[in-house]
Amino acid sequence: DIQMTQSPSTLSASVGDRVTITCRASQSISSWLAWYQQKPGKAPKVLIYKASSLESGVPSRFSGSGSGTEFTLTISSLQPDDFATYYCQQSNRYPWTFGQGTKVEIK
Amino acid sequence: QVQLQQWGAGLLKPSETLSLTCGVSGGAFSGYYWIWIRQPPGKGLEWIGEINHSGIINYTPSLKSRVTISVDSSKNQFSLKMSSVTAADTAVYYCARGNLYKIVNWGQGTLVTVSS
Repeated sequence: DIQMTQSPSTLSASVGDRVTITCRASQSISSWLAWYQQKPGKAPKVLIYKASSLESGVPSRFSGSGSGTEFTLTISSLQPDDFATYYCQQSNRYPWTFGQGTKVEIK
Repeated sequence: QVQLQQWGAGLLKPSETLSLTCGVSGGAFSGYYWIWIRQPPGKGLEWIGEINHSGIINYTPSLKSRVTISVDSSKNQFSLKMSSVTAADTAVYYCARGNLYKIVNWGQGTLVTVSS
């Protein structure tokens, strides 16, 4: 299985901060990477797909970059609605796998 | 707007079979990947498996011997069965629709608790 490792596991930030989350794959996954946001008690919501494509309806403060084994999700200016847990997920090879998650908390 | 509505038993005893069904409304059924994902309480997401638009089924290896995913296109439904459950299978189970690039639509989630 391809292992997806996110860092950090927890991130404390303030409204207006620029936030970056990293996801590393145990082998190359080209650009087969998506990012999801999950709030407590809710299903995840896709933010980014194909590593850098913004899902329709997602605010432009979210962006993704990377290819191969290293990827980043950036929130350019953190808003109150962005405090949540974020997951990366690869679909390059079965079984599809998720990172362990990064919780973005209020500082 | 596509909606996925899932149902099934939420409380099971060890060794019983988990059975969940997901109904799809408001959108096309063909041409997509139909996916099951679970999330143990307080933990991360685990992809269980999927059946794609070609009828090909893929499972995560650690669950493959116990899991069956099936589709009933005539009813716009797909299902998950997992045999011989244990406490380790306690989780919120999600059905979802996606493609090779992303998982876009999710069911509401079903908490399945395995306890004697």
